[in-house]
Amino acid sequence: KAGVTQTPRYLIKTRGQQVTLSCSPISGHRSVSWYQQTPGQGLQFLFEYFSETQRNKGNFPGRFSGRQFSNSRSEMNVSTLELGDSALYLCASSLTAGGRETQYFGPGTRLLVL
Amino acid sequence: QQQVKQSPQSLIVQKGGIPIINCAYENTAFDYFPWYQQFPGKGPALLIAIRPDVSEKKEGRFTISFNKSAKQFSLHIMDSQPGDSATYFCAASMTGAQKLVFGQGTRLTINP
Repeated sequence: KAGVTQTPRYLIKTRGQQVTLSCSPISGHRSVSWYQQTPGQGLQFLFEYFSETQRNKGNFPGRFSGRQFSNSRSEMNVSTLELGDSALYLCASSLTAGGRETQYFGPGTRLLVL
Repeated sequence: QQQVKQSPQSLIVQKGGIPIINCAYENTAFDYFPWYQQFPGKGPALLIAIRPDVSEKKEGRFTISFNKSAKQFSLHIMDSQPGDSATYFCAASMTGAQKLVFGQGTRLTINP
């Protein structure tokens, strides 16, 4: 069974631009969560989607948004990019959204904002 | 109250030694505690997880010890190998929320 896939793997943008990242969960998984990983802040939860509905949201500004499609694939969007948005963005999928489900992470998209 | 505190930040152990990584939490609503291993350029991968009704869980060379009253849990790696060199993260979540709260990570180096 294929793992979680994320595209693109690397991205370079400039301040003020917007970016869309994509995540395809493991086949059959319906929950997708997004995390931001930086050396200073570590791994921080962005948001979680289940059956196309956002169920939880972390403490990030409204510039960060996401959505989930009927096939469980998910996208996250960051508008008006800032230098501090440079990070590894990780997507994780799980079968359901019960809270104690194993989350399987993708390899991440490394975003560099210049 | 949502934090998970992890220590040490980095750890160097000789091959065959037993590295121990500790985590502490405040929120008693947390009821699922996984450990993840991350290699450079890869996403975190689940190593082992424990629920608070169990005090210890072993999977291969990895053991989690859990102290509910102290709100602490730790990872022990038996017979450590250079291939175990990676960054390890503890995490916590609660029923009904897939949100994982991660510790800051421990960079583990196993010297040959």
